[in-house]
Amino acid sequence: AQSVTQLGSHVSVSEGALVLLRCNYSSSVPPYLFWYVQYPNQGLQLLLKYTSAATLVKGINGFEAEFKKSETSFHLTKPSAHMSDAAEYFCAVSVPFSGGYQKVTFGTGTKLQVIP
Amino acid sequence: DAGVTQSPTHLIKTRGQQVTLRCSPKSGHDTVSWYQQALGQGPQFIFQYYEEEERQRGNFPDRFSGHQFPNYSSELNVNALLLGDSALYLCASSSTISGLHEQYFGPGTRLTVT
Repeated sequence: AQSVTQLGSHVSVSEGALVLLRCNYSSSVPPYLFWYVQYPNQGLQLLLKYTSAATLVKGINGFEAEFKKSETSFHLTKPSAHMSDAAEYFCAVSVPFSGGYQKVTFGTGTKLQVIP
Repeated sequence: DAGVTQSPTHLIKTRGQQVTLRCSPKSGHDTVSWYQQALGQGPQFIFQYYEEEERQRGNFPDRFSGHQFPNYSSELNVNALLLGDSALYLCASSSTISGLHEQYFGPGTRLTVT
């Protein structure tokens, strides 16, 4: 069975500072990994995904994440935080399931606060 | 190109009642998944529909049921509502052709059970 652990339910950064949101996963098979962002009262928007190609993945809004197999990590970073980045971020892992389907498991989320 | 749409946006029901939520997938997508997101939690997988059949199911009771129509739209039904069913219900669509792992989410339906 797969699982996702997001370290830190709340993270605060100053505007212009580095954003680092941590995600560790557990999977018995090579996984696909995702970061989603959720703004208040909205659905989830895909930020970026890792699907076994390049280990450094670039996404939208200046975010990127690096897949590190040895550390089972997929941390999300952004060099300079903007006020508009304040939201909740979810890491997710997807693995093959019986019948050729994918089973997606989400972490519990990290709320990012950006301080002016 | 319309994305995933869900209706209604908000819903208030009483314990014991039944509710139906609706989802239209992104154009070109044939698979619909439903998730429950309780306040302060990550989305929890309920079930997935493809070719009008439930293909996989998460750890939810039989009170939760669904349906997929020939046009790929889907409904989520919850019977005998409990207070604990209050949550944001998210629909996600994907394509068996381009990869089921890439899901596009709708804005959700906020269900409040009183």
